[in-house]
Amino acid sequence: RKEVEQDPGPFNVPEGATVAFNCTYSNSASQSFFWYRQDCRKEPKLLMSVYSSGNEDGRFTAQLNRASQYISLLIRDSKLSDSATYLCVVQFTSGTYKYIFGTGTRLKVLA
Amino acid sequence: DAGVTQSPTHLIKTRGQQVTLRCSPISGHKSVSWYQQVLGQGPQFIFQYYEKEERGRGNFPDRFSARQFPNYSSELNVNALLLGDSALYLCASSLTGWSTNEKLFFGSGTQLSVL
Repeated sequence: RKEVEQDPGPFNVPEGATVAFNCTYSNSASQSFFWYRQDCRKEPKLLMSVYSSGNEDGRFTAQLNRASQYISLLIRDSKLSDSATYLCVVQFTSGTYKYIFGTGTRLKVLA
Repeated sequence: DAGVTQSPTHLIKTRGQQVTLRCSPISGHKSVSWYQQVLGQGPQFIFQYYEKEERGRGNFPDRFSARQFPNYSSELNVNALLLGDSALYLCASSLTGWSTNEKLFFGSGTQLSVL
C-alpha cells in the first residue's frame, strides 16, 4: 500500500463549480500535512498547510481527519487558472523527518 | 531575496555516464532535500541534508549520492546512469527540515534525459 494515496483524476469541472479532492495516508505517526499545486512540468508550490481544526484560504478549504487518516481539499467557485495537479504531502518521522508526496490529482477547469 | 536555484535546467546524458546537479537554498535555510519526479508521478524523496549531514535517505540505489557544503548549497550525483533515471530532479529548501509543519520551497528543477 502506498504511504500517501490520491485519485489521479483527471477531474474535469466547469468554471464556477465546487470540487473536492481526498488523500489518504498510511502512517499514523504522520505529523504535518500540506497541499501543493504543480503546473505542468513546473516545480510544486505550496498551496496551504492543513491543520487539525481545518483551515480556509479564500476559495480553498483544507480538512484533516486523523482518526480516518485522510485529508481533503475543497475548491469553491473554480477558475480556469485553478487547472493544475494538486499534490497531497505528508510529513512524518521514522528516525528522521520525511515528506511523502502523493501521485497528485489533476484538475481541469473548463470554460 | 532569491528563491531556490538549481542548475542546470536541462541535461542530456547517455547511459553509463555520471551527472552532477546543483542547488542553492533560500538564504537562511539550512536544510536541502532532493526529489525525483517521473512523468505522471509525485516527487519521490531521495535525500535530506541539514548542516552538511545526511538526515534522511529514500529508497534509491547507491548510484545516487549527495552532499551539502558549508554555505548550505548542495550537489546530487548520479553514477552509471540508466534510462530509468530520466526525470525531473527537484531540490527543496527548508529552515531545518526537522520542525513540525515546516514548509518546503522548491527550485524549478533539472530535467535530466538519459539516452
